[in-house]
Amino acid sequence: DAGVIQSPRHEVTEMGQEVTLRCKPISGHDYLFWYRQTMMRGLELLIYFNNNVPIDDSGMPEDRFSAKMPNASFSTLKIQPSEPRDSAVYFCASSLGWVSYEQYFGPGTRLTVT
Amino acid sequence: TQLLEQSPQFLSIQEGENLTVYCNSSSVFSSLQWYRQEPGEGPVLLVTVVTGGEVKKLKRLTFQFGDARKDSSLHITAAQTGDTGLYLCAGGDSWGKLQFGAGTQVVVTP
Repeated sequence: DAGVIQSPRHEVTEMGQEVTLRCKPISGHDYLFWYRQTMMRGLELLIYFNNNVPIDDSGMPEDRFSAKMPNASFSTLKIQPSEPRDSAVYFCASSLGWVSYEQYFGPGTRLTVT
Repeated sequence: TQLLEQSPQFLSIQEGENLTVYCNSSSVFSSLQWYRQEPGEGPVLLVTVVTGGEVKKLKRLTFQFGDARKDSSLHITAAQTGDTGLYLCAGGDSWGKLQFGAGTQVVVTP
């Protein structure tokens, strides 16, 4: 079975540009999570969805960040406008059911904002 | 905010040696998970423990969840170079939300 798929794997953009990261969760999983990983702050939860509905976005840094999940097989994380401090590796993860807690991570998107 | 502290931050050992990594919190978690992450990849789930006092063994890896469900340990017996990686513990709340520790970087040299 295919795991969580993320695209692109690497993104380099200039400050002020819009960046869109994409994620396809494992088929049948009803939870989807977006994380950001940096050396300074480790792995941080940004937002998560249950059955395509955003449940908790308290980790989203500021209004420049937005996430959507239009259907069960696709989610996006958008940063507009991007800033150098947004440079990080962004991971998407999915899980099946709230009692499971077992999250499966994608390979991540390494974002560099210059 | 439930904080998870991992120790040590870095561990370098030789092949064949044993090692233990710790994960501690002042808060109670519904579950505790351990992940291993290799460079350029996402974390990969190793184990989930949900019962206080639970011990799980995965070949050379032994995981323990504290009786009070606030702490956990990961013990590796006879480490191999393939065990090299960043080990992350994560505590789960009743909503399925995970809080990750900062990780322990383990390096196993031949």
